Amino acid sequence: AQSVSQHNHHVILSEAASLELGCNYSYGGTVNLFWYVQYPGQHLQLLLKYFSGDPLVKGIKGFEAEFIKSKFSFNLRKPSVQWSDTAEYFCAVSSNFGNEKLTFGTGTRLTIIP
Amino acid sequence: ETGVTQSPTHLIKTRGQQVTLRCSSQSGHNTVSWYQQALGQGPQFIFQYYREEENGRGNFPPRFSGLQFPNYSSELNVNALELDDSALYLCASSGGTGVISYNEQFFGPGTRLTVL
Repeated sequence: AQSVSQHNHHVILSEAASLELGCNYSYGGTVNLFWYVQYPGQHLQLLLKYFSGDPLVKGIKGFEAEFIKSKFSFNLRKPSVQWSDTAEYFCAVSSNFGNEKLTFGTGTRLTIIP
Repeated sequence: ETGVTQSPTHLIKTRGQQVTLRCSSQSGHNTVSWYQQALGQGPQFIFQYYREEENGRGNFPPRFSGLQFPNYSSELNVNALELDDSALYLCASSGGTGVISYNEQFFGPGTRLTVL
């Protein structure tokens, strides 16, 4: 069975600080990896995704993530955060077959202090 | 292109009642997945429908059931509501003509269900 761990439950940063949110997954096969963001009062939106190829993936709003297969990790990074990045961030995994379910982590709440 | 829509936005029910939630998939998508997101948790997979057939189910009891219609819209039905069913119910659609698109799910705004 798939599982996803997000060890940072709540992260508080000042504007312009660098961000790294951890994500580790457990699955025996080839996976697709995702980061979703949920801004206050809004629906889940895809930040970035990894299917194959270059393990460094760039997403929207300056976010990037690196897939490290040997560590079963897909950490999210941003060099300089903004107040508008305040949101809940979810890492998710699916198997590498079409239309498979997403397994989500418990989420990391990110609070940016102006 | 119209995104994923869900109705109603909010719903209050009492324990033991039944509820039906609705989802319209994004244009061109033939697959709908339903998730339950309890407060402070990540979404949990309930089930998926592909071309009107159930295509995978998570760890939810049979009182959670669904339908998908020929236009690929979908319903989630929950019978004998329990207090723990209070959550945000998310619908996501996927599918299309490209291989890559089959693995990306687009989420609706959700239906907030409160069971008293």
